[in-house]
Amino acid sequence: NAGVTQTPKFRVLKTGQSMTLLCAQDMNHEYMYWYRQDPGMGLRLIHYSVGEGTTAKGEVPDGYNVSRLKKQNFLLGLESAAPSQTSVYFCASSYARGNREDREQYFGPGTRLTVT
Amino acid sequence: KQEVTQIPAALSVPEGENLVLNCSFTDSAIYNLQWFRQDPGKGLTSLLLIQSSQREQTSGRLNASLDKSSGRSTLYIAASQPGDSATYLCAVRYPGYTGNQFYFGTGTSLTVIP
Repeated sequence: NAGVTQTPKFRVLKTGQSMTLLCAQDMNHEYMYWYRQDPGMGLRLIHYSVGEGTTAKGEVPDGYNVSRLKKQNFLLGLESAAPSQTSVYFCASSYARGNREDREQYFGPGTRLTVT
Repeated sequence: KQEVTQIPAALSVPEGENLVLNCSFTDSAIYNLQWFRQDPGKGLTSLLLIQSSQREQTSGRLNASLDKSSGRSTLYIAASQPGDSATYLCAVRYPGYTGNQFYFGTGTSLTVIP
């Protein structure tokens, strides 16, 4: 049971380049999330998904797109990278069933992205 | 917008001390509150989750309490060790907002000095 995994771990992009970050979870969770973490700002939600084939915007969605074609995978895309997107990106997942108050979020190890 | 505040931002203590980390939130209508540990350059490791109906949770040397009415949670670490050095984050989950979104504090960076 690997939990939540993220690919790649590190990446350097030039302004205007595109890339896709992959998140995979093997816990059969319905909900998946993408966050970014910046110094002094905490984690902020970019996009999330409540199930296969569905996605929704979070707090800071501009410049990003997502897809959830399979329940276990959640992809985050940057179509035209900008220096402001330099950050650490975390994926998380959680159950949708059962007691709502008992739902934990499980996090991946993160992807450190630098845009020059 | 919900706000979660953690004070202090940084804390340095000698090994063996008991310590308390604080987390406050603006809206008391929460589902739960989760404490995480983050080591430098690493992901978030869940430490404790307290449901809104609970007052505290314990795991080993860690004890987390929740006072919804005052919008506060504390994480108590007993007999601190150098291995406890990390950033501690609290996250509050609310109903009725975007999905099952957690709102995160900016963390308390803890250094335990041998």
